[in-house]
Amino acid sequence: QKEVEQDPGPLSVPEGAIVSLNCTYSNSAFQYFMWYRQYSRKGPELLMYTYSSGNKEDGRFTAQVDKSSKYISLFIRDSQPSDSATYLCVPMDSSYKLIFGSGTRLLVRP
Amino acid sequence: EPEVTQTPSHQVTQMGQEVILRCVPISNHLYFYWYRQILGQKVEFLVSFYNNEISEKSEIFDDQFSVERPDGSNFTLKIRSTKLEDSAMYFCASSEGQQDTQYFGPGTRLTVL
Repeated sequence: QKEVEQDPGPLSVPEGAIVSLNCTYSNSAFQYFMWYRQYSRKGPELLMYTYSSGNKEDGRFTAQVDKSSKYISLFIRDSQPSDSATYLCVPMDSSYKLIFGSGTRLLVRP
Repeated sequence: EPEVTQTPSHQVTQMGQEVILRCVPISNHLYFYWYRQILGQKVEFLVSFYNNEISEKSEIFDDQFSVERPDGSNFTLKIRSTKLEDSAMYFCASSEGQQDTQYFGPGTRLTVL
């Protein structure tokens, strides 16, 4: 079983839509969870950082972590064409290294 | 806003040659990392570095790889004898504390011919 699984997409939505991106993980010891955004041939850029279960909101972005089901979500409200990128679900393991998923490619159509 | 910088942006080398990839982490950060991403694949951890020592390294980080903080600002990754399969984007990252956000640089694209 992969440590982090994401649907690769692409997920195509019209501008203004609410986007839901999901991720599952296998290691119940993960405590810290991040979402990074990566544009083509660029470095990952942090969007959200959460600790343990719960919700966190930052502007148009909301991250949800459910440790009981090992399920993580990222919601994007009022999506924009500039949100088109690959979204990476990234838990941090017990030795503080980041475990990257393969990412979900999002396309927001104008 | 402070950022991680990396040079060069693109490096082309012949198989068997040595390459050094350079990074300038954010100035008050204490933890440094190298990750790599082979084209079309996920980002993979290579090594973490703190207090002038390797904290952890992955199976990928074999004897051909080394890291160094030669002065107060640079952090380098050296590949002694490059192989074709070393072709990838190499990302440097840094964080203030061990559990803190890791900020990534723009990457160096290494092409081994």
